[in-house]
Amino acid sequence: AQSVTQLDSQVPVFEEAPVELRCNYSSSVSVYLFWYVQYPNQGLQLLLKYLSGSTLVESINGFEAEFNKSQTSFHLRKPSVHISDTAEYFCAVSFTSGTYKYIFGTGTRLKVLA
Amino acid sequence: DTEVTQTPKHLVMGMTNKKSLKCEQHMGHRAMYWYKQKAKKPPELMFVYSYEKLSINESVPSRFSPECPNSSLLNLHLHALQPEDSALYLCASSHIGTGHQPQHFGDGTRLSIL
Repeated sequence: AQSVTQLDSQVPVFEEAPVELRCNYSSSVSVYLFWYVQYPNQGLQLLLKYLSGSTLVESINGFEAEFNKSQTSFHLRKPSVHISDTAEYFCAVSFTSGTYKYIFGTGTRLKVLA
Repeated sequence: DTEVTQTPKHLVMGMTNKKSLKCEQHMGHRAMYWYKQKAKKPPELMFVYSYEKLSINESVPSRFSPECPNSSLLNLHLHALQPEDSALYLCASSHIGTGHQPQHFGDGTRLSIL
């Protein structure tokens, strides 16, 4: 069965420090990988996605994630966080078989401290 | 601003009321989704429409009735809800295809059942 694991439910970090949010998945078939961010009282916004090609993907606001097939991971990183990055981050996978379904991780609450 | 518009933003209703949630998108997406999200949890898929036809129903109770009147609109009709149905209801849309098409989410309707 397919699954997504986000081991850290909360990650506190000081402003301007680096951060890594971990995501591991389990699947017997090929997957596509996504990171979404949810700010308070808002819906989910796509942060970045891995479909194929270069294993390192970047977003416009300084986040990056690296697909590691051997470790079945897609960790999200930012070298220097801002207070405004405080939000819930969800990792999600979908499948090349075209079922339209995401499997979401349980989410990681990033809290950036001044 | 999100490209998926949901109304109303907040809804309070009694257990005997009938109400509807509405979702609209003009991105030309032919797949549309309803999710339920409880606090501090990932979204749970409820329904998927593709080409205006219901393609996935995740064993949702019949007190939730989806409707897709055209390619831009998605409704969720509510009747005789229970207190445990209080949650954030998210609508999403995507292009049709295999799982590489990212889903675009609205900001949700926060539903409270008295």
